[in-house]
Amino acid sequence: GNSVTQMEGPVTLSEEAFLTINCTYTATGYPSLFWYVQYPGEGLQLLLKATKADDKGSNKGFEATYRKETTSFHLEKGSVQVSDSAVYFCALRRNSGYALNFGKGTSLLVTP
Amino acid sequence: DVKVTQSSRYLVKRTGEKVFLECVQDMDHENMFWYRQDPGLGLRLIYFSYDVKMKEKGDIPEGYSVSREKKERFSLILESASTNQTSMYLCASSLRQGKNQPQHFGDGTRLSIL
Repeated sequence: GNSVTQMEGPVTLSEEAFLTINCTYTATGYPSLFWYVQYPGEGLQLLLKATKADDKGSNKGFEATYRKETTSFHLEKGSVQVSDSAVYFCALRRNSGYALNFGKGTSLLVTP
Repeated sequence: DVKVTQSSRYLVKRTGEKVFLECVQDMDHENMFWYRQDPGLGLRLIYFSYDVKMKEKGDIPEGYSVSREKKERFSLILESASTNQTSMYLCASSLRQGKNQPQHFGDGTRLSIL
């Protein structure tokens, strides 16, 4: 079935460093891909999404491109801030029904 | 903005108790979901509902049941709570149209079973 695999954390970066969090997917067809973010003590928030191959989703300086050739949807940000410290989840729709399959999450800590 | 509200942020119950977790959304979404989140395991789907009175089992339904009597409300029930049900519970909702709609989450209920 449809699934995603994302890099394990934790990832620790200094402020203003470049961020990449890897996500690869296995899917039947071309379902939409999502990145969610979870700040400490909160639920998940949609960060960005891409609905078809070669789409680029972007929000708050984060970007991810839906790449069919490499079955990837890596999350990037050019210059991270302390406030970006959170857990990031890659997700896609399941083969049947309306639920999403999530990766296990990647914890990011940004230090001043 | 979509608002998904979970009735409690923190809850402490005892083993054997019947526990109710409530979730309400205000955007007329057809789909609603319950997940549990555990360290190292990510989010796992317990149950979901795509319409009033409709429900389907997710990946880990054992020990849980759900109720959807009104479109905006989706309840998760632990029939007889056990310590292995200590976890963070997340409710989500989404539109049904298009099948690629994002899910909107509540802030979660951290449940401890003693």
